[in-house]
Amino acid sequence: DIQMTQSPSTLSASVGDRVTITCRASQSISAWLAWYQQKPGKAPKLLIYEASRLESGVPSRFSGSGSGTEFTLTISSLQPDDFATYYCQQYNTYWTFGQGTKVEIK
Amino acid sequence: KLVESGGGLAQPGGSLRLSCAASGITLAGYAMSWVRQAPGKGPEWVSAISSDGGGTYYADSVKGRFTISRDNSKNTLYLEMNSLRDEDTAVYYCAKEYAFDIWGQGTMVTVSS
Repeated sequence: DIQMTQSPSTLSASVGDRVTITCRASQSISAWLAWYQQKPGKAPKLLIYEASRLESGVPSRFSGSGSGTEFTLTISSLQPDDFATYYCQQYNTYWTFGQGTKVEIK
Repeated sequence: KLVESGGGLAQPGGSLRLSCAASGITLAGYAMSWVRQAPGKGPEWVSAISSDGGGTYYADSVKGRFTISRDNSKNTLYLEMNSLRDEDTAVYYCAKEYAFDIWGQGTMVTVSS
């Protein structure tokens, strides 16, 4: 099974900050990685697919990079609506989610 | 839009059947999955089915107990859950494609005596 490890688990930041979340796969997944944003009581929302492709309608302040086993999600300038939990997910072999990164207000 | 139904309270060892009805999109031609999220936990992939229903895939935690199926003529996805356990308690979502670009709102399944 492919394991996904995210860091940090919690991140405290202010509006306007540049934020980076890291996701590591236990084996190579090429670029078959997605990033999701989830708010309480809601389903996850797809932000990025194929490691770096921005889903339609998602603000351009979100970007993704990486391939193989190391990936990052960057929010270039944190907005009030961005305080949420973020998950990475591999879909190279079945599907596995990371444990999540909660972005909190500093 | 995807709309799940069929959740509720079940006893350990019991059964439930979840449905996921699509509107505004045609499910035929897309792989579909069920994903669950236990209270306070991250999402966990449960099961997937190929676009024509010919291929089905399960997480080890549900293999042999859950069955995924689809009826493309009814634009609906199903999850038959048997031999339910306490640890199956979660919100169950259906999701479209390999990178889950569309999700339903979820249906709560509670397994408790």
